[in-house]
Amino acid sequence: DAGVIQSPRHEVTEMGQEVTLRCKPISGHDYLFWYRQTMMRGLELLIYFNNNVPIDDSGMPEDRFSAKMPNASFSTLKIQPSEPRDSAVYFCASRPWAGQNTEAFFGQGTRLTVV
Amino acid sequence: AQSVAQPEDQVNVAEGNPLTVKCTYSVSGNPYLFWYVQYPNRGLQFLLKYITGDNLVKGSYGFEAEFNKSQTSFHLKKPSALVSDSALYFCAVRPSGSARQLTFGSGTQLTVLP
Repeated sequence: DAGVIQSPRHEVTEMGQEVTLRCKPISGHDYLFWYRQTMMRGLELLIYFNNNVPIDDSGMPEDRFSAKMPNASFSTLKIQPSEPRDSAVYFCASRPWAGQNTEAFFGQGTRLTVV
Repeated sequence: AQSVAQPEDQVNVAEGNPLTVKCTYSVSGNPYLFWYVQYPNRGLQFLLKYITGDNLVKGSYGFEAEFNKSQTSFHLKKPSALVSDSALYFCAVRPSGSARQLTFGSGTQLTVLP
């Protein structure tokens, strides 16, 4: 398996534009997570899905952020409109259910810069 | 609420010397504990985990960690550091038997000096 695949790796956009980040989890994994990493706040869990259903989106900072998982092999995180303070590295991760003690596997991240 | 503290932002150690990266946690009930490593411009990679059983857990690349319930700690250790171990290390916790997901510490930058 190629692991968790995220695209794009880097995104530079202007303030006010819509940004869509994409993630392909590892096949067979039941959970999918979106994290944001910044110097100031570290790693924050934004939202996670179980079997394509959003379970907890309490970490989503504002209504400008939305996430979908239309099927087991694809998820998107959308920011509309984007703002400079959204600049961060966004990680997608997945893990199998196999009990609550399994570890998550992370993608390489998308570095978002909003200018 | 669950939380993780990594009290050191930066740890420097000479190559060949033992290293320790500290982690303490707070969680209701029994914890599941994890260590991840992040190299520059890469995602987090799983190193090791404690679920139950032996308090000393061995993981990838010669790393190990010791679970200490009384001190609520899960320090990461390696007997002999390599320059290639230089990276950002994250400790994470999740309560067992709960649907709650991982909470990560703030990370510790390890630098191994040649």
